[in-house]
Amino acid sequence: SAVISQKPSRDICQRGTSLTIQCQVDSQVTMMFWYRQQPGQSLTLIATANQGSEATYESGFVIDKFPISRPNLTFSTLTVSNMSPEDSSIYLCSVRDSEAQPQHFGDGTRLSIL
Amino acid sequence: EDKVVQSPLSLVVHEGDTVTLNCSYEVTNFRSLLWYKQEKKAPTFLFMLTSSGIEKKSGRLSSILDKKELSSILNITATQTGDSAIYLCAVWDGSSNTGKLIFGQGTTLQVKP
Repeated sequence: SAVISQKPSRDICQRGTSLTIQCQVDSQVTMMFWYRQQPGQSLTLIATANQGSEATYESGFVIDKFPISRPNLTFSTLTVSNMSPEDSSIYLCSVRDSEAQPQHFGDGTRLSIL
Repeated sequence: EDKVVQSPLSLVVHEGDTVTLNCSYEVTNFRSLLWYKQEKKAPTFLFMLTSSGIEKKSGRLSSILDKKELSSILNITATQTGDSAIYLCAVWDGSSNTGKLIFGQGTTLQVKP
């Protein structure tokens, strides 16, 4: 399966600031996704990153708060904007190589907001 | 509303024990059910189950899907301390063409020496 690199691995940020998380894959993949895992919770899909067009957001997530880019088939970014302590979570990038294949996850970014 | 429910939420066993983790789902457009193991941050893929009644096996781990009962089990035999982790069940929602996964709450397994 594809090797997925996520940066940064962790960060501590001040409230009101923004952070961009990068996801790099070592091969072209069809689908890229961004998930959030709040403390003690399971994973929730934020959005599907679409190559060359606007991301598809799930209910409860908006582009102004979580802008996403996907300039090509191997790279995507998620920005967490105007952060508050409630945004403290693990953010995970996942990819699916091709149709009918499982999603594989990057190592995640642990984000803490002070 | 589509949902995935796992039980138990937590489990403590001793090395050598056998454990069974449960996952039930109510997803309108079911495509597949997946199991992941999460030790630190990244969930690692274990199994993907699409057909009912066919067991998938990898070493001491095995899993089976029952589409009639809308459920799946994950078995771990001869547990080791390295099996301590959160086990996540997810259902691939086929209602969109993106392949959205709906996750359960997870089962936290602790294996004591």
